[in-house]
Amino acid sequence: AQKVTQAQTEISVVEKEDVTLDCVYETRDTTYYLFWYKQPPSGELVFLIRRNSFDEQNEISGRYSWNFQKSTSSFNFTITASQVVDSAVYFCALSNNQGGKLIFGQGTELSVKP
Amino acid sequence: DSGVTQTPKHLITATGQRVTLRCSPRSGDLSVYWYQQSLDQGLQFLIQYYNGEERAKGNILERFSAQQFPDLHSELNLSSLELGDSALYFCASSVSQDLSPLHFGNGTRLTVT
Repeated sequence: AQKVTQAQTEISVVEKEDVTLDCVYETRDTTYYLFWYKQPPSGELVFLIRRNSFDEQNEISGRYSWNFQKSTSSFNFTITASQVVDSAVYFCALSNNQGGKLIFGQGTELSVKP
Repeated sequence: DSGVTQTPKHLITATGQRVTLRCSPRSGDLSVYWYQQSLDQGLQFLIQYYNGEERAKGNILERFSAQQFPDLHSELNLSSLELGDSALYFCASSVSQDLSPLHFGNGTRLTVT
């Protein structure tokens, strides 16, 4: 069975702090995809990144970076120098290559205070 | 703007009623997905359509049904509504049936009173 666990329910930081959101996944598939989405207070789901299981290279996009480690089944997300606008709920998700169904984690609510 | 359009944005109705949620996929996308986000269940996959045909089913109640029309828009029908059906319903689309959607609509917030 596929499962995504985001153990951190809520995180609160002060602006300019770095913060890492944890994501641990379970799957028996050898080919799969991992995603991160952001849900700001306005409610929409914003796509951040997709990573396939064969690409363990870390990725950096501006203040965002992702660390994919198959050995620990983790796909963690780090925001550097956090800003108030980063306040949102962040979801990690998993899918296999036999259909587009996404399995979401429970989400981590990040609050960045000025 | 994700290119996925959902209407209405908000819907308030009473228990026992029936509602229809509408989704227009991104231009060129043939596959449509419906997800439900509730406080107790989180984000859950409901159903997927590809080019008019049902492709995959998730935790969708028998009171719920969906379809995808020849112009590729999709409708999610919720009937005999219960208080617990109050949730945010998202639609997403992708080019192929095997490709996970990257982009979601803004959702329809359903409140059952």
